[in-house]
Amino acid sequence: EADIYQTPRYLVIGTGKKITLECSQTMGHDKMYWYQQDPGMELHLIHYSYGVNSTEKGDLSSESTVSRIRTEHFPLTLESARPSHTSQYLCASSARGNSPLHFGNGTRLTVT
Amino acid sequence: AQRVTQPEKLLSVFKGAPVELKCNYSYSGSPELFWYVQYSRQRLQLLLRHISRESIKGFTADLNKGETSFHLKKPFAQEEDSAMYYCALRGGNNRLAFGKGNQVVVIP
Repeated sequence: EADIYQTPRYLVIGTGKKITLECSQTMGHDKMYWYQQDPGMELHLIHYSYGVNSTEKGDLSSESTVSRIRTEHFPLTLESARPSHTSQYLCASSARGNSPLHFGNGTRLTVT
Repeated sequence: AQRVTQPEKLLSVFKGAPVELKCNYSYSGSPELFWYVQYSRQRLQLLLRHISRESIKGFTADLNKGETSFHLKKPFAQEEDSAMYYCALRGGNNRLAFGKGNQVVVIP
């Protein structure tokens, strides 16, 4: 079934560790996005990609990095996790043009 | 810059009562507005968009450019409408900006 998948769903990790949050979609969408959401707050765009080998920073500054080597895959990496990175990370994708976003289930990250 | 404001964090309504979620936006160009919804234990999903001009699950929203608003309305709330609702705006940069969201609780 065409969908967008995020793993892991929950992650608790110690300070200083390197982590990668996975996001894959099987809908053939060109555009992919990462949003960060703190509890009770709005979603903030931190990265987006309009196609393979294209990545841009979003509206909210983030120490994370992303890559887009394949259309379906858009992983997010934190080289050295800190407690300030504790948040929920939502991945989304959309087709060309002004299509709406399709969201994954999110990854809830806790850095201790 | 584009900005979306949802002034009320929590809205409690009785079943069968009307519900209105306010959304105001700030954008100098011609915006595209959306409402997204997140039910308990489900992912965020599109509810409706202003260009569709349709009613979804009994909800409607009209874009008022003069008041820069896109309020979401439903005449008779149902228990299954309890959810988190986010207003979102897509501007010229094709990026989606979200409001802080409204938690709707429908009381049986």
